[in-house]
Amino acid sequence: AQSVTQLGSHVSVSEGALVLLRCNYSSSVPPYLFWYVQYPNQGLQLLLKYTTGATLVKGINGFEAEFKKSETSFHLTKPSAHMSDAAEYFCAVSSFSGSARQLTFGSGTQLTVLP
Amino acid sequence: EPEVTQTPSHQVTQMGQEVILRCVPISNHLYFYWYRQILGQKVEFLVSFYNNEISEKSEIFDDQFSVERPDGSNFTLKIRSTKLEDSAMYFCASNTGTVSYEQYFGPGTRLTVT
Repeated sequence: AQSVTQLGSHVSVSEGALVLLRCNYSSSVPPYLFWYVQYPNQGLQLLLKYTTGATLVKGINGFEAEFKKSETSFHLTKPSAHMSDAAEYFCAVSSFSGSARQLTFGSGTQLTVLP
Repeated sequence: EPEVTQTPSHQVTQMGQEVILRCVPISNHLYFYWYRQILGQKVEFLVSFYNNEISEKSEIFDDQFSVERPDGSNFTLKIRSTKLEDSAMYFCASNTGTVSYEQYFGPGTRLTVT
């Protein structure tokens, strides 16, 4: 079984400030980890993913995340927030199940960017 | 760029009625999924489908739910007798099943049960 915990259901940052969204996971097998973004009234868009290899992964829109096995974390960061980054962000873990891999999502973090 | 599409975008139905939510996955994808998101809550896995059969289903996916791939392009979720608590956004997703297992999501269907 796997689970995801996102600390902070709401995060506010000023435009130009560092964005840090926290995600911790639990998985009995090596995890595949994902960050998805959801803009209002839209579906889920993949920001980035970790499968194997390099633990620092870069995604779209300047976001990156680092897989830290010892801390069971996969925090999402962006050096400088833009107004367009305001959205809800979901961390997800994937585990093998049968012939498919279901995603288990965290509760989400609503990011507000202040002018 | 290929994308997953879903119809309708919004469905309103009365309690006890049957609804069918439709999805067209990306054409070369082999694995299909349904997730739901009750307003203000997390996205939850419902079911995965591969090779014309269910691979896995969650405890949410009870006998009121069924999935079907009626032809080579559509993937449907049927709720036989809707309840108020079925009101949610339903997302379809698909992937190729390659090592990365990245899933591509559709825009969702908002189901409102009155």
